Amino acid sequence: DAKTTQPPSMDCAEGRAANLPCNHSTISGNEYVYWYRQIHSQGPQYIIHGLKNNETNEMASLIITEDRKSSTLILPHATLRDTAVYYCIVRVVGASGGSYIPTFGRGTSLIVHP
Amino acid sequence: DTAVSQTPKYLVTQMGNDKSIKCEQNLGHDTMYWYKQDSKKFLKIMFSYNNKELIINETVPNRFSPKSPDKAHLNLHINSLELGDSAVYFCASSQRQGNEKLFFGSGTQLSVL
Repeated sequence: DAKTTQPPSMDCAEGRAANLPCNHSTISGNEYVYWYRQIHSQGPQYIIHGLKNNETNEMASLIITEDRKSSTLILPHATLRDTAVYYCIVRVVGASGGSYIPTFGRGTSLIVHP
Repeated sequence: DTAVSQTPKYLVTQMGNDKSIKCEQNLGHDTMYWYKQDSKKFLKIMFSYNNKELIINETVPNRFSPKSPDKAHLNLHINSLELGDSAVYFCASSQRQGNEKLFFGSGTQLSVL
């Protein structure tokens, strides 16, 4: 599985867009990019995923570069409740899962301040 | 209704004791997982079961024994608890093996004294 690199921490003003980058330069053509977040004292929560097209849902937008070597998770209007650790994961979907290990890295700690 | 529920939320116990953590999912998923998150917040997978069968065991001491009576339940029993077992344990499920959309429980904070 391709590895990911994320900045350890970021901060953002409430009401502004939070743009969280993720590098996955070794990603292969059939690997998806998944994003999760973990709010303090809670279990991780799925946010969004994509392959090569940009994706948007009620929580966030995912922008994947044309070469797919990096992506950005965008929280369009960050609130204090968006303060969390954000994890970027890449993986082939639907592959034989016998050896698949859903692995979380260190993620990015996002602090949204008033 | 909570999709993935685990009990208890907090567990405080003495070294050497045996304890269990229960997990249930009502999503109809085939695959369930146990993760351990230590004090440094690193989230590490321990086990995965698919349709009641063990598919992942990530070099976890054999004091840890998962049990899956049916595909909706994955319980974790820990024998002879040690100080280093103190952590937050998260249960998760996914629709099928290899599906990355994981649904997590709210965690069990285990403190071994």
